[in-house]
Amino acid sequence: GESVGLHLPTLSVQEGDNSIINCAYSNSASDYFIWYKQESGKGPQFIIDIRSNMDKRQGQRVTVLLNKTVKHLSLQIAATQPGDSAVYFCAEKTDKLIFGTGTRLQVFP
Amino acid sequence: DTGVSQNPRHKITKRGQNVTFRCDPISEHNRLYWYRQTLGQGPEFLTYFQNEAQLEKSRLLSDRFSAERPKGSFSTLEIQRTEQGDSAMYLCASSMGLAGGQDTQYFGPGTRLTVL
Repeated sequence: GESVGLHLPTLSVQEGDNSIINCAYSNSASDYFIWYKQESGKGPQFIIDIRSNMDKRQGQRVTVLLNKTVKHLSLQIAATQPGDSAVYFCAEKTDKLIFGTGTRLQVFP
Repeated sequence: DTGVSQNPRHKITKRGQNVTFRCDPISEHNRLYWYRQTLGQGPEFLTYFQNEAQLEKSRLLSDRFSAERPKGSFSTLEIQRTEQGDSAMYLCASSMGLAGGQDTQYFGPGTRLTVL
């Protein structure tokens, strides 16, 4: 069956360092993936997406990498800031979104 | 604010009572989605609408749950005879309904339901 999961539940990084959040998926037919950021008490916020015909996509301070061979994707955040502290979810997109459990990113000074 | 809005933001109810939540999507969005999120978990899909038509319902949506979008704009989610297991954050999202998969869903702030 389909599943989208994350390797680490919590990631602590120092302000200014780069963060890498990982995600594994099991459905090799998955075509489209999205990363969302969720701050406490708020709904998920779209960060960046990637299609399966791409290996890499860059946004502002964020990069998503997709490795279809091992069914793995990652979100890289450059120069992590306190405002990046949140739970990050990867999601597989069909008509609906299938979310993983999430990784909590904690940024300390 | 032109984003997705949800009301109420918080609801506390006693077991057995009925509750209704409202979602107002982004105005030009044709699709509207409901998700449920429990503590420490990712959101789980419940149902979605294309305009006023309800196109898919998850097996999570038991007979006690009903969702409507009568005029293709706002939507309501009703839970009848609430149970403690219904306690969760109920999230609404909307999208333009673009073909080809890259149809970004934008989420509202959610309604947190607590069933005592």
